[in-house]
Amino acid sequence: AQTVTQSQPEMSVQEAETVTLSCTYDTSESDYYLFWYKQPPSRQMILVIRQEAYKQQNATENRFSVNFQKAAKSFSLKISDSQLGDAAMYFCAYRSAWGDDKIIFGKGTRLHILP
Amino acid sequence: GAVVSQHPSWVICKSGTSVKIECRSLDFQATTMFWYRQFPKQSLMLMATSNEGSKATYEQGVEKDKFLINHASLTLSTLTVTSAHPEDSSFYICSASPLRTPTQYFGPGTRLTVL
Repeated sequence: AQTVTQSQPEMSVQEAETVTLSCTYDTSESDYYLFWYKQPPSRQMILVIRQEAYKQQNATENRFSVNFQKAAKSFSLKISDSQLGDAAMYFCAYRSAWGDDKIIFGKGTRLHILP
Repeated sequence: GAVVSQHPSWVICKSGTSVKIECRSLDFQATTMFWYRQFPKQSLMLMATSNEGSKATYEQGVEKDKFLINHASLTLSTLTVTSAHPEDSSFYICSASPLRTPTQYFGPGTRLTVL
């Protein structure tokens, strides 16, 4: 069975600085998708970024980028120029490219932005 | 695009009554929708997969008779909490994926409080 591990329950970063959230996963599959979702205090889950396992190029979305290391089964999220609105719970998630559409979530990392 | 709505956003009910929560995909069709439960400061826990036109698939440990799921159309799934008790109080979230898209989009959630 696949698992997703986020080893940092909480992190803090100064506004305008850069922070990296860690995520590792375990799978025997070769085709899959990885996601970072953000859950702000409103509790609305928001997609931050998606990575297809077959793509070697790391995904980027404005200030958000990932470091995808397939062999190491690592998928970290880098947030550049951190803003107060980035304060949220961040969940790393895995989905197989085949079979059912279930998403497996990590336990989350709470990110605090210090003004 | 890819907007999912939930109704109601907050419901309070008396113990022993039933509560229905609706999940709608507003601008896409979804053959599959997912229902999650989230406790404070925890990750999302998948309860069941809702399949349009067929029975839902429940995760281990989730009571089928307590959490009734109906997926009557390609844009609507409902979760009914039957004979609710205080321990059913929680935050319930639904999600859906547009056809041939791996990303799940989430509703804003429903906070259920059972008195």
